Amino acid sequence: GAGVSQSPSNKVTEKGKDVELRCDPISGHTALYWYRQSLGQGLEFLIYFQGNSAPDKSGLPSDRFSAERTGGSVSTLTIQRTQQEDSAVYLCASSPQGQGAQPQHFGDGTRLSIL
Amino acid sequence: QQQVKQSPQSLIVQKGGISIINCAYENTAFDYFPWYQQFPGKGPALLIAIRPDVSEKKEGRFTISFNKSAKQFSLHIMDSQPGDSATYFCAASMYADYKLSFGAGTTVTVRA
Repeated sequence: GAGVSQSPSNKVTEKGKDVELRCDPISGHTALYWYRQSLGQGLEFLIYFQGNSAPDKSGLPSDRFSAERTGGSVSTLTIQRTQQEDSAVYLCASSPQGQGAQPQHFGDGTRLSIL
Repeated sequence: QQQVKQSPQSLIVQKGGISIINCAYENTAFDYFPWYQQFPGKGPALLIAIRPDVSEKKEGRFTISFNKSAKQFSLHIMDSQPGDSATYFCAASMYADYKLSFGAGTTVTVRA
């Protein structure tokens, strides 16, 4: 079956512009996660959705970052007024429910470059 | 504050050798410890996982060893192959919790 799909795969934009990153989770997965992976770094948790609700936004780095999920499916991560330090790979993952013991299925990420 | 500390940052091993990656955690409430494998340009994928009721779990050439008293766990890759060249992340969580805490990752290079 289809895995987690992220788009675009690559995004280059100028500092100060807004960007939207999209995640299509595996059908039926109620839990959805966004992570950020900087060059040579681990996975930095950004936000967790259970259905359309985001009970944990604790990882969002600043108020320039926001995310939403609609229909219990597609999620969009928006970064406003991008800065060069926002350059990273943004990974989305989904799992059947929000339980740590369930494998998180990752997409291949969006590589964001801020000029 | 990183809840899971992983070492080494990178390692190089000859084909057929053993790769060993170590992780340590602080939160004694953690009771689920997965390892993820990531190839360049791809997202991480679950490789193998262990719970603290066992001290070792083996799947093919991959073995997790777990030391509850020391709050440490490790991944051993036996008979390492060039196709094992990837970045490996350890992680920890509470079994019923949603949040995984990831280590910083180890890049493994297997020389032919």
